[in-house]
Amino acid sequence: AQSVSQHNHHVILSEAASLELGCNYSYGGTVNLFWYVQYPGQHLQLLLKYFSGDPLVKGIKGFEAEFIKSKFSFNLRKPSVQWSDTAEYFCAVGSNSGYALNFGKGTSLLVTP
Amino acid sequence: DAMVIQNPRYQVTQFGKPVTLSCSQTLNHNVMYWYQQKSSQAPKLLFHYYDKDFNNEADTPDNFQSRRPNTSFCFLDIRSPGLGDTAMYLCATSGRQGPYGYTFGSGTRLTVV
Repeated sequence: AQSVSQHNHHVILSEAASLELGCNYSYGGTVNLFWYVQYPGQHLQLLLKYFSGDPLVKGIKGFEAEFIKSKFSFNLRKPSVQWSDTAEYFCAVGSNSGYALNFGKGTSLLVTP
Repeated sequence: DAMVIQNPRYQVTQFGKPVTLSCSQTLNHNVMYWYQQKSSQAPKLLFHYYDKDFNNEADTPDNFQSRRPNTSFCFLDIRSPGLGDTAMYLCATSGRQGPYGYTFGSGTRLTVV
């Protein structure tokens, strides 16, 4: 069965610090990988996604993620965070054979001024 | 704007009293999903409709049912809510490509008392 692990449950950073959130998955077949963000009181929004091709994916708001197949990882990065990046971040995996998204438990990011 | 709308945003119901949550979409997507997200946990797929075809996840309790009377609307019925059903319920839609393009609603936060 698919599973998704996010290692950092709570992260606190100062503005301008660099961010890296870990995501590992387990699945034997071809996967599609996603990062979603949920700002306080708002719905889940897609940050970026990987289906195939260049393993370095650029998303909205300066976020990027790198797919490393050998490590079953899809870590999210941002060089310099802003206070407005305070949110919950979810990694998700979907397979080509089904419609479900399997989510990690999420990482709560707090950016302090 | 095309979107996914969930009503109500907040719902409080009594233990054992049936409750219905609503989801509507203006995207004309084929697939509609219901996810349950308990506090500090990952969103978990309950079921989805591909057009009129209902697909139940194996571990979704019998207490949870769904209806999709037309393309635009989908309902989540909880026949006899228990305290453990307190959660955020997320509706999502996608085209035929499944995980390639999810759009989430804002969610309904259900509290069972």
